[in-house]
Amino acid sequence: NAGVTQTPKFQVLKTGQSMTLQCAQDMNHEYMSWYRQDPGMGLRLIHYSVGAGITDQGEVPNGYNVSRSTTEDFPLRLLSAAPSQTSVYFCASRRRLAGVSYNEQFFGPGTRLTVL
Amino acid sequence: GQNIDQPTEMTATEGAIVQINCTYQTSGFNGLFWYQQHAGEAPTFLSYNVLDGLEEKGRFSSFLSRSKGYSYLLLKELQMKDSASYLCAAPNRDDKIIFGKGTRLHILP
Repeated sequence: NAGVTQTPKFQVLKTGQSMTLQCAQDMNHEYMSWYRQDPGMGLRLIHYSVGAGITDQGEVPNGYNVSRSTTEDFPLRLLSAAPSQTSVYFCASRRRLAGVSYNEQFFGPGTRLTVL
Repeated sequence: GQNIDQPTEMTATEGAIVQINCTYQTSGFNGLFWYQQHAGEAPTFLSYNVLDGLEEKGRFSSFLSRSKGYSYLLLKELQMKDSASYLCAAPNRDDKIIFGKGTRLHILP
């Protein structure tokens, strides 16, 4: 299993450009999430999906779109990049929480995005 | 709403024991996670507590008190490789996992 994969690893954009961060998992996990991590802010949830065709907003959704057409893929789109979106982006996946059994959330290696 | 608090930074000595605290307020409790994150890397899972008490896994233990909204991560026999950030996280009522800001642990030789 490759686990959670993310592409690209690094990206530099100019203000106003658009791009899609790719995320895929091969563990047949129902839940997938996108987080951003900024110094001193910890991981903040951007968008979230509990299955194909179902998405929901997290703590900081503005400026980002997502879709979940398959169980495996959960791309994150920046429609018009802004310097405030400079961050490290992590995709994660897990099974649904079930009682006392733990459901580890697996993270991808991250995408380091700079918006000039 | 949901609020998770943990200290920003801690320093400990190699070979010693350190306890990292986490307090939380959630709209519906369904367990608490601890993750480790080395600089420049992705977070990795350490523990998940849903019942009160202490769970031990080698040099790492995690404790939960649901009535107090409190958890701690205990690291024993500290090694230099334990220098990392430790993240406390909990699912909210919508089953979204929300993270605290993390505690950066520095280990001194």
